[in-house]
Amino acid sequence: DMKVTQMPRYLIKRMGENVLLECGQDMSHETMYWYRQDPGLGLQLIYISYDVDSNSEGDIPKGYRVSRKKREHFSLILDSAKTNQTSVYFCASLLGDIPSYEQYFGPGTRLTVL
Amino acid sequence: GEKVEQHESTLSVREGDSAVINCTYTDTASSYFPWYKQEAGKSLHFVIDIRSNVDRKQSQRLIVLLDKKAKRFSLHITATQPEDSAIYFCAARSGGSNAKLTFGKGTKLSVKS
Repeated sequence: DMKVTQMPRYLIKRMGENVLLECGQDMSHETMYWYRQDPGLGLQLIYISYDVDSNSEGDIPKGYRVSRKKREHFSLILDSAKTNQTSVYFCASLLGDIPSYEQYFGPGTRLTVL
Repeated sequence: GEKVEQHESTLSVREGDSAVINCTYTDTASSYFPWYKQEAGKSLHFVIDIRSNVDRKQSQRLIVLLDKKAKRFSLHITATQPEDSAIYFCAARSGGSNAKLTFGKGTKLSVKS
C-alpha cells in the first residue's frame, strides 16, 4: 500500500521560531511536492523536488526552503516563522510519469504560528 | 502560468441526483486534468483524470468531460450518495516536463439524504 507520511501532524510555534516539517514516502518516487492549503484558496504549490538535491520553486516559495538529501525524505523549513504561515501543509509524491501522473498526498500538518 | 478556475464553491444536491462541477483553464498546452477528493478533516486523494486525447472518461459513477476548444472540463457524479460529500478539486498539468499541477480552489459538495 503506497504511503506518504508527515510529521508532526500538529504544531504550534511562536513568531520568529524555526519550523521543520518532515515528509516521507516508501515508494521510491522521484518527484515530491509541498503545498499549503488555506480556506477558500485551494492548494498552493510551495516547492517541487525532482530528486535528491534537485529542487525547484513553486508558486509561493517566499519564506520557505526545502531539503532533500534522500529520495524518500523531503523537508520543508520555515526560518523565522510568520503568523501568515499558519496553514495546513501537505506533502505529496508523484506515482510516476506517463501514463499516470497521480499524486499521493500525506495526511497534512496543521501549523499554527502565534 | 496556468490558472484554473473552479466555478462552484459550494454545491448541494439530494441523494440520488447528479452533481456537476465545472472548471476552466487558461494554458492551451495543458494536457492532463485530474480530480481530487478531500473528505472533512482528511487529506486529498485522486478520484479520476482525463487526458487531452479524449473528451470523455467514466469510472463507475464518475464521468469527466473535456472541451479543449472552450478550455473547460467537468466532473459529473451520478446517483450521488452521502459519502460523496466532500471538497472536490480540479487541476491541470501544464505542458512540459516540470510535473506541476495547478489546482482550482475547490467545490464543497453536500449530498443530503
